[in-house]
Amino acid sequence: QAVVTQEPSLTVSPGGTVTLTCGSSAGVVTSGHYPYWFQQKPGQAPRTLIYDTSTKHSWTPVRFSGSLLGGKAALTISGAQPEDEADYYCMVSYSGVRLFGGGTKLTVL
Amino acid sequence: QVQLQESGPGLVKPPGTLSLTCAVSGGSISSNNWWSWVRQSPEKGLEWIGEIYHSGSTNYSPSLKSRVTMSVDKSKNEFSLDLSSVTAADTAIYYCARIKPGFDAWGQGTLVTVSS
Repeated sequence: QAVVTQEPSLTVSPGGTVTLTCGSSAGVVTSGHYPYWFQQKPGQAPRTLIYDTSTKHSWTPVRFSGSLLGGKAALTISGAQPEDEADYYCMVSYSGVRLFGGGTKLTVL
Repeated sequence: QVQLQESGPGLVKPPGTLSLTCAVSGGSISSNNWWSWVRQSPEKGLEWIGEIYHSGSTNYSPSLKSRVTMSVDKSKNEFSLDLSSVTAADTAIYYCARIKPGFDAWGQGTLVTVSS
């Protein structure tokens, strides 16, 4: 079974830009793996920001965008806000089996 | 707006069976959708358990497949999870979620502790 990897932690300055990545031990992550990005704040359920690589929900702030970058799925926050401080998880699918990454703890400082 | 609510025992003794239900409101479980269970523990992070369609079709995590059973009760508009032969490693917050579009709805989660 593949292992999905994310940066354990990242720090971004308010107003800055940061990119979180999601890689797989099974190889290149493609749109066919239907990458998801979830945001989770303490004591709350995860909330989907991005699905199918780059599709946003109605509640997803414009500053969040999803893409494929260097063989990985990527989540970019352009103009980070203090409220973006949270844990971020990616999820990819392999033949109907969904795998989560270990999460990235994002600090806005 | 669909809402999901998990319910079930907060404490399960090993090697018993963990049983949870997810009540769906604001929408029909028989809609063209899949419904999922996800759990979260400090040790393993987020872990997909599996998903079920209202027809009863299922997809389970290979690592849990031998112990997992999911079902749908259309009359009650809810779906359920049974996880057998539990150990302390199954202690986690269990979430139910609607998959389409894009895991758009989640329950608040319920903590299940496995302990004798």
